[in-house]
Amino acid sequence: AQTVTQSQPEMSVQEAETVTLSCTYDTSESDYYLFWYKQPPSRQMILVIRQEAYKQQNATENRFSVNFQKAAKSFSLKISDSQLGDAAMYFCAYRRKGAQKLVFGQGTRLTINP
Amino acid sequence: EAQVTQNPRYLITVTGKKLTVTCSQNMNHEYMSWYRQDPGLGLRQIYYSMNVEVTDKGDVPEGYKVSRKEKRNFPLILESPSPNQTSLYFCASSLPGLATYEQYFGPGTRLTVT
Repeated sequence: AQTVTQSQPEMSVQEAETVTLSCTYDTSESDYYLFWYKQPPSRQMILVIRQEAYKQQNATENRFSVNFQKAAKSFSLKISDSQLGDAAMYFCAYRRKGAQKLVFGQGTRLTINP
Repeated sequence: EAQVTQNPRYLITVTGKKLTVTCSQNMNHEYMSWYRQDPGLGLRQIYYSMNVEVTDKGDVPEGYKVSRKEKRNFPLILESPSPNQTSLYFCASSLPGLATYEQYFGPGTRLTVT
């Protein structure tokens, strides 16, 4: 079975600085998708960024980028120029190609200090 | 507006009193699923449905039932709720297939069973 691990229950960063959230996963599949979701206090699940495993290039969405290391099964999220609105719970998730189920990590609560 | 709706958003109930959490989507998605979110565990899939009248167990199905009589609706039924079902519940939907892989989440239902 696939598993996703986020080893940092909480992180904090100063506004305008850069922070990296860690995620590792375990799978025997070669083709899959990885995601980072943001959950603000409103509880809404918001897709931040996604990565296809077959793509070597790391995905980027504005201030959000990932460091995808397929061999190491690592998928970290980097947030640049942190803003107060980035404060949220962040979940890393895995989805096998051809399947619909998302497998989530435990979550990392990110605090932004003004 | 494309969306997944859930009702109620908050519910406090007592042990053993049957309840239903409704989920509806307006995107004509075939795939729908239910997750529960617990601290330190992330989100875990309860049940899913690939289409009308097709449902199957996820990772934590005990104590839950679902039905899929219409494409747009996927209610979650707790016939005899217990305190260990106190959780935050999310409904999600998507189109199956490889090209469209984003899942749309509902706003969540906070359930407390006393």
